[in-house]
This record gives sequence, structure tokens and C-alpha cells, in this order.
Amino acid sequence: SQQGEEDPQALSIQEGENATMNCSYKTSINNLQWYRQNSGRGLVHLILIRSNEREKHSGRLRVTLDTSKKSSSLLITASRAADTASYFCASRGSNYKLTFGKGTLLTVNP
Amino acid sequence: KAGVTQTPRYLIKTRGQQVTLSCSPISGHRSVSWYQQTPGQGLQFLFEYFSETQRNKGNFPGRFSGRQFSNSRSEMNVSTLELGDSALYLCASSLTTGGYNEQFFGPGTRLTVL
Repeated sequence: SQQGEEDPQALSIQEGENATMNCSYKTSINNLQWYRQNSGRGLVHLILIRSNEREKHSGRLRVTLDTSKKSSSLLITASRAADTASYFCASRGSNYKLTFGKGTLLTVNP
Repeated sequence: KAGVTQTPRYLIKTRGQQVTLSCSPISGHRSVSWYQQTPGQGLQFLFEYFSETQRNKGNFPGRFSGRQFSNSRSEMNVSTLELGDSALYLCASSLTTGGYNEQFFGPGTRLTVL
């Protein structure tokens, strides 16, 4: 079964708005990573947050991690049409595997 | 620095055949992982190779196998293809094993089984 589950499954917003995606996982993790995938292509790594970190920023991206709730969130600020993609969280657990959730499909309307 | 390359990009096979997919990691990366992506099951981990050794394996039947060469290039093989094997197969490389670092993905090989 999937380690991570993203919420919502789909999100549609207007350009300039912020987009927030959530991810929950089941077991303890070493790190959690977020990836973006454009329409059936390869994934692009966005950000990695380690289990001892609570928040991380990269450009317009902000990721938070709450290990007590086994959850993470990805915030994209001032979204652009080019941000339209599927976003996946992936957790690295004690089994050394990187396990992906099913993703959130983000559509940013111009 | 060149990215992860996968060949071929597209494949059409028939049930019962076998297929070999190839992945060349980023120069200096020693870990290669393989994933299967389908609309129904999402991204599922197949296996990971590091220094020519399989370090981790997902829950796939023995028809799915792989190997890694001394130059870190990797191949995966699927024998006795089934319709359900139709998927996008993604390869990813990273500096070290164990999911400690970010993974760099190739564009994938789209396999269609008829």
C-alpha cells in the first residue's frame, strides 16, 4: 500500500493564488520529498525535508513537516500557469525505500 | 551535466514477449531505482541498485528483474509480458542509496502490451 497519501486529489486555482497540498504517511520516516510531474513525463525533485526539520523554503515553495501527525504540506505561492502539474510526496522510511503517494493534480488557470 | 537517460522512450509488445529497458544515470551517481507508474496504482517502487547490487525490492513478481553494470548503467527486464504491465517505467538516479538524497528521474519508457 502507498506510504503517502496526498490531499486533495485535484486542485484548480487561478493564477496568482496560493496552492496548498497535504500529504500523510503511515510509518516513521527519515525524510520526506516532494516531486512534480508534468503530464506523463519524468518527475522533478522540488524539495527534501528531513525528519528533524519542521519547515523549509525554496523560492515560491514552502514545505512543512509534522512528524507527530505524520503529515506534510506543500505551499506554492503566487501560482503560475506553468505550475500546472501533478505533485507527489515521497517518504523515505526505515525500510530504505522511497514510497510515493498518488499525487495531487494542480491546475492553474490563466 | 547530462541528465538521466532512458531508452527506448516507447515500446509496443505483445503478451508473452519479454522486454529490456535501459537507464543511464547522471555521471557520478551510483544508485539507480526503477518505478512503475500506472493510472490505477500510481508510482510503485520496483527495485534499487547500488554498486551493482540490488539493495531493495518492491512487491513485484519475479518476472520483473534488473541489473546494474560497473559503470552504474542499469537495465530492467520483464519476461512473459501481461496486459497489466502496460505502464510508464521510470528510472531515477541518486548519489547514494537508501533514499537519503534527492532522486533525478529520466523521462521514462512508455510500454504498451497488446
